Amino acid sequence: DSGVTQTPKHLITATGQRVTLRCSPRSGDLSVYWYQQSLDQGLQFLIQYYNGEERAKGNILERFSAQQFPDLHSELNLSSLELGDSALYFCASSFSGGDGYTFGSGTRLTVV
Amino acid sequence: DQQVKQNSPSLSVQEGRISILNCDYTNSMFDYFLWYKKYPAEGPTFLISISSIKDKNEDGRFTVFLNKSAKHLSLHIVPSQPGDSAVYFCAASARTRGQKLVFGQGTRLTINP
Repeated sequence: DSGVTQTPKHLITATGQRVTLRCSPRSGDLSVYWYQQSLDQGLQFLIQYYNGEERAKGNILERFSAQQFPDLHSELNLSSLELGDSALYFCASSFSGGDGYTFGSGTRLTVV
Repeated sequence: DQQVKQNSPSLSVQEGRISILNCDYTNSMFDYFLWYKKYPAEGPTFLISISSIKDKNEDGRFTVFLNKSAKHLSLHIVPSQPGDSAVYFCAASARTRGQKLVFGQGTRLTINP
Protein backbone atom coordinates (compact mmCIF):
# COMPACT_ATOMS: atom_id res chain seq x y z
CA ASP A 1 0.00 0.00 0.00
CA SER A 2 1.67 3.19 -1.23
CA GLY A 3 -0.57 5.48 0.80
CA VAL A 4 -2.18 6.95 -2.33
CA THR A 5 -5.69 5.59 -2.79
CA GLN A 6 -7.47 5.59 -6.11
CA THR A 7 -11.05 4.56 -6.67
CA PRO A 8 -12.52 2.81 -8.48
CA LYS A 9 -9.92 0.31 -9.62
CA HIS A 10 -11.88 -0.59 -12.73
CA LEU A 11 -14.54 1.29 -14.66
CA ILE A 12 -16.42 0.25 -17.77
CA THR A 13 -18.66 2.80 -19.41
CA ALA A 14 -20.18 3.67 -22.76
CA THR A 15 -19.13 6.32 -25.22
CA GLY A 16 -20.58 9.73 -24.51
CA GLN A 17 -20.82 9.13 -20.78
CA ARG A 18 -19.16 10.97 -17.93
CA VAL A 19 -17.10 9.45 -15.13
CA THR A 20 -15.31 10.68 -12.03
CA LEU A 21 -12.06 9.21 -10.77
CA ARG A 22 -11.07 9.83 -7.20
CA CYS A 23 -7.69 10.10 -5.52
CA SER A 24 -6.69 10.47 -1.88
CA PRO A 25 -3.08 11.55 -1.53
CA ARG A 26 -0.59 10.17 0.95
CA SER A 27 -0.94 11.77 4.37
CA GLY A 28 0.96 15.05 4.51
CA ASP A 29 1.33 15.43 0.75
CA LEU A 30 0.00 18.67 -0.68
CA SER A 31 0.45 18.08 -4.41
CA VAL A 32 -1.65 15.76 -6.53
CA TYR A 33 -0.81 14.81 -10.10
CA TRP A 34 -2.87 12.98 -12.70
CA TYR A 35 -1.34 10.86 -15.44
CA GLN A 36 -2.76 8.84 -18.30
CA GLN A 37 -1.15 5.71 -19.65
CA SER A 38 -2.55 4.23 -22.86
CA LEU A 39 -1.63 0.81 -24.26
CA ASP A 40 1.59 0.46 -22.27
CA GLN A 41 2.86 3.79 -23.51
CA GLY A 42 4.58 6.39 -21.41
CA LEU A 43 3.05 8.40 -18.61
CA GLN A 44 1.25 11.40 -20.07
CA PHE A 45 1.00 14.22 -17.55
CA LEU A 46 -2.48 15.67 -17.34
CA ILE A 47 -2.65 18.14 -14.47
CA GLN A 48 -1.21 19.07 -11.06
CA TYR A 49 -2.88 20.59 -8.03
CA TYR A 50 -1.08 22.00 -5.02
CA ASN A 51 -3.00 22.66 -1.84
CA GLY A 52 -6.25 23.15 -3.69
CA GLU A 53 -5.00 25.23 -6.58
CA GLU A 54 -4.14 24.24 -10.11
CA ARG A 55 -0.34 24.39 -10.46
CA ALA A 56 0.47 22.92 -13.88
CA LYS A 57 -1.38 21.66 -16.90
CA GLY A 58 -0.20 19.11 -19.40
CA ASN A 59 -1.89 17.31 -22.26
CA ILE A 60 -5.34 17.42 -20.76
CA LEU A 61 -8.31 17.50 -23.12
CA GLU A 62 -11.00 20.12 -22.73
CA ARG A 63 -13.46 17.29 -22.03
CA PHE A 64 -11.44 16.50 -18.90
CA SER A 65 -11.35 18.55 -15.73
CA ALA A 66 -10.04 18.10 -12.23
CA GLN A 67 -10.15 19.70 -8.83
CA GLN A 68 -8.58 19.32 -5.42
CA PHE A 69 -10.78 19.72 -2.38
CA PRO A 70 -9.99 21.27 1.03
CA ASP A 71 -9.24 17.82 2.46
CA LEU A 72 -6.70 17.49 -0.40
CA HIS A 73 -8.39 14.63 -2.17
CA SER A 74 -8.73 15.13 -5.90
CA GLU A 75 -11.19 14.15 -8.57
CA LEU A 76 -10.63 13.81 -12.31
CA ASN A 77 -13.78 14.22 -14.37
CA LEU A 78 -13.89 12.77 -17.86
CA SER A 79 -16.88 13.65 -20.03
CA SER A 80 -18.18 12.87 -23.52
CA LEU A 81 -16.07 9.76 -23.37
CA GLU A 82 -14.60 8.30 -26.54
CA LEU A 83 -13.12 4.88 -27.22
CA GLY A 84 -9.67 6.44 -27.25
CA ASP A 85 -10.04 7.54 -23.65
CA SER A 86 -9.66 3.94 -22.55
CA ALA A 87 -6.50 3.91 -20.49
CA LEU A 88 -4.96 3.57 -17.06
CA TYR A 89 -5.28 6.76 -15.06
CA PHE A 90 -2.77 7.24 -12.29
CA CYS A 91 -2.78 9.67 -9.45
CA ALA A 92 0.42 10.56 -7.63
CA SER A 93 1.16 12.79 -4.67
CA SER A 94 4.14 14.58 -3.21
CA PHE A 95 4.83 17.04 -0.43
CA SER A 96 6.16 19.68 -2.82
CA GLY A 97 6.63 20.05 -6.54
CA GLY A 98 10.15 18.80 -6.95
CA ASP A 99 10.09 15.80 -4.62
CA GLY A 100 9.63 12.23 -5.72
CA TYR A 101 6.09 11.11 -6.26
CA THR A 102 4.13 8.29 -4.69
CA PHE A 103 1.75 6.71 -7.16
CA GLY A 104 -1.57 5.04 -6.60
CA SER A 105 -2.40 1.73 -8.22
CA GLY A 106 -4.47 3.37 -10.93
CA THR A 107 -7.98 3.26 -12.35
CA ARG A 108 -8.43 1.23 -15.49
CA LEU A 109 -11.06 2.92 -17.63
CA THR A 110 -12.63 0.99 -20.49
CA VAL A 111 -14.94 2.85 -22.85
CA VAL A 112 -17.14 0.60 -24.97
CA ASP B 1 9.86 19.20 -26.40
CA GLN B 2 10.90 16.01 -24.65
CA GLN B 3 13.22 17.07 -21.86
CA VAL B 4 13.82 13.52 -20.62
CA LYS B 5 14.49 10.79 -23.15
CA GLN B 6 14.85 7.07 -22.85
CA ASN B 7 15.94 6.07 -26.31
CA SER B 8 15.64 2.32 -25.83
CA PRO B 9 12.00 1.20 -25.72
CA SER B 10 13.06 -2.29 -24.70
CA LEU B 11 16.02 -4.24 -23.36
CA SER B 12 16.54 -7.97 -22.94
CA VAL B 13 19.14 -9.31 -20.51
CA GLN B 14 20.06 -12.77 -19.32
CA GLU B 15 19.45 -13.58 -15.68
CA GLY B 16 22.54 -12.96 -13.56
CA ARG B 17 24.03 -10.44 -15.97
CA ILE B 18 24.11 -6.65 -15.64
CA SER B 19 21.20 -4.57 -16.92
CA ILE B 20 22.02 -1.01 -17.93
CA LEU B 21 19.18 1.40 -18.61
CA ASN B 22 19.98 4.82 -20.02
CA CYS B 23 18.36 8.22 -19.84
CA ASP B 24 19.28 11.60 -21.35
CA TYR B 25 17.98 15.02 -20.41
CA THR B 26 18.22 18.45 -21.95
CA ASN B 27 17.27 20.86 -19.17
CA SER B 28 20.39 22.03 -17.33
CA MET B 29 18.20 23.21 -14.42
CA PHE B 30 17.36 19.63 -13.46
CA ASP B 31 18.97 18.82 -10.12
CA TYR B 32 17.15 15.70 -8.97
CA PHE B 33 16.79 12.44 -10.83
CA LEU B 34 14.79 9.33 -10.08
CA TRP B 35 14.05 5.89 -11.44
CA TYR B 36 10.66 4.26 -11.12
CA LYS B 37 9.74 0.66 -11.81
CA LYS B 38 6.33 -0.33 -13.10
CA TYR B 39 4.70 -3.73 -13.36
CA PRO B 40 1.67 -4.21 -15.64
CA ALA B 41 -1.60 -2.86 -14.22
CA GLU B 42 0.18 -1.37 -11.20
CA GLY B 43 1.32 2.12 -10.36
CA PRO B 44 4.99 3.05 -10.74
CA THR B 45 7.04 2.55 -7.60
CA PHE B 46 10.07 4.55 -6.60
CA LEU B 47 13.35 2.71 -7.04
CA ILE B 48 16.30 5.02 -6.51
CA SER B 49 17.21 8.69 -6.82
CA ILE B 50 20.25 10.90 -7.10
CA SER B 51 20.90 14.55 -6.48
CA SER B 52 22.99 16.58 -8.90
CA ILE B 53 25.66 17.07 -6.23
CA LYS B 54 26.52 13.39 -6.50
CA ASP B 55 27.60 11.24 -9.41
CA LYS B 56 26.68 7.85 -8.00
CA ASN B 57 24.12 6.40 -5.65
CA GLU B 58 23.90 2.75 -4.72
CA ASP B 59 21.13 0.73 -3.09
CA GLY B 60 21.67 -3.00 -3.04
CA ARG B 61 21.65 -4.35 -6.57
CA PHE B 62 20.71 -0.95 -8.00
CA THR B 63 23.15 1.85 -8.80
CA VAL B 64 22.40 5.11 -10.53
CA PHE B 65 25.17 7.06 -12.24
CA LEU B 66 24.90 10.71 -13.19
CA ASN B 67 27.09 12.42 -15.77
CA LYS B 68 26.14 16.07 -15.61
CA SER B 69 28.42 17.23 -18.38
CA ALA B 70 26.82 14.74 -20.75
CA LYS B 71 23.35 15.24 -19.27
CA HIS B 72 23.09 11.49 -18.96
CA LEU B 73 22.14 9.07 -16.25
CA SER B 74 22.03 5.33 -16.14
CA LEU B 75 20.62 2.64 -13.91
CA HIS B 76 22.67 -0.52 -13.35
CA ILE B 77 21.09 -3.67 -11.97
CA VAL B 78 23.52 -6.35 -10.88
CA PRO B 79 22.81 -9.21 -10.90
CA SER B 80 19.60 -9.10 -12.90
CA GLN B 81 16.76 -11.27 -11.62
CA PRO B 82 13.50 -12.40 -13.26
CA GLY B 83 11.53 -10.15 -10.89
CA ASP B 84 13.31 -7.16 -12.39
CA SER B 85 11.30 -7.58 -15.59
CA ALA B 86 9.23 -4.41 -15.72
CA VAL B 87 9.05 -0.99 -17.35
CA TYR B 88 11.55 1.49 -15.95
CA PHE B 89 10.88 5.22 -16.06
CA CYS B 90 13.53 7.85 -15.64
CA ALA B 91 12.37 11.17 -14.17
CA ALA B 92 13.96 14.53 -13.44
CA SER B 93 13.05 17.78 -11.76
CA ALA B 94 14.38 21.21 -10.90
CA ARG B 95 13.79 20.32 -7.27
CA THR B 96 15.17 23.48 -5.72
CA ARG B 97 12.67 25.40 -7.83
CA GLY B 98 9.82 23.14 -6.76
CA GLN B 99 9.08 22.13 -10.30
CA LYS B 100 7.29 18.94 -11.12
CA LEU B 101 8.91 15.73 -12.29
CA VAL B 102 9.36 15.18 -16.01
CA PHE B 103 9.21 11.51 -17.03
CA GLY B 104 10.85 9.67 -19.88
CA GLN B 105 8.86 7.31 -22.07
CA GLY B 106 10.08 4.19 -20.28
CA THR B 107 12.20 1.16 -21.13
CA ARG B 108 10.74 -2.33 -20.93
CA LEU B 109 13.31 -4.63 -19.34
CA THR B 110 12.96 -8.38 -19.83
CA ILE B 111 15.16 -10.74 -17.86
CA ASN B 112 15.54 -14.10 -19.56
CA PRO B 113 16.30 -17.27 -17.58
